[in-house]
Amino acid sequence: GAVVSQHPSRVICKSGTSVKIECRSLDFQATTMFWYRQFPKKSLMLMATSNEGSKATYEQGVEKDKFLINHASLTLSTLTVTSAHPEDSSFYICSITGTSGGSQETQYFGPGTRLLVL
Amino acid sequence: GDSVTQMEGPVTLSEEAFLTINCTYTATGYPSLFWYVQYPGEGLQLLLKATKADDKGSNKGFEATYRKETTSFHLEKGSVQVSDSAVYFCALRAFRSSASKIIFGSGTRLSIRP
Repeated sequence: GAVVSQHPSRVICKSGTSVKIECRSLDFQATTMFWYRQFPKKSLMLMATSNEGSKATYEQGVEKDKFLINHASLTLSTLTVTSAHPEDSSFYICSITGTSGGSQETQYFGPGTRLLVL
Repeated sequence: GDSVTQMEGPVTLSEEAFLTINCTYTATGYPSLFWYVQYPGEGLQLLLKATKADDKGSNKGFEATYRKETTSFHLEKGSVQVSDSAVYFCALRAFRSSASKIIFGSGTRLSIRP
């Protein structure tokens, strides 16, 4: 099946700095990648849909200028948290949609990146 | 809008007990339904899925049946093991399209006592 990697797995930064998180699809060429945010003991919240070669589609309430998404290639999407603040501390997860065992589409998730803003 | 509601945890059971985690959904059209599992320190993994009414998804002894009449997709396992301790998420995708987003329930933490 598909393998999705994220880098870094964990990052600690000072308030006001920017942090870039990479999401790579190792087995599939993904025209669409999804970025989620997971709060402690809470569900995943979809932040945006990353489209290769075009602008990302953001969910309502997600600040586009705060969370910059770039889908540079069919295997790489990046999420940059700009001017990070402690309330941005969270677990960020990316996912792609791939095909397994025929025509059935399956969503594959990366291992996540834990961001802590001091 | 589309939504998923699942029973709140945590759920604590003894090994070999019967498990049910309730999940109901609200969606227009005919969504695909999923159960994902997140083991401690790991990312989400697809546990099972069903794409149309009356379909039964199954994996690792877990089962869930797509019930359109009750808009439910309850997760069941006849005999749980300690290794099943994890957080379980019910989810739906509104259209059978790779570009459609997945909407997750709030998650249910399951702890199994030896």
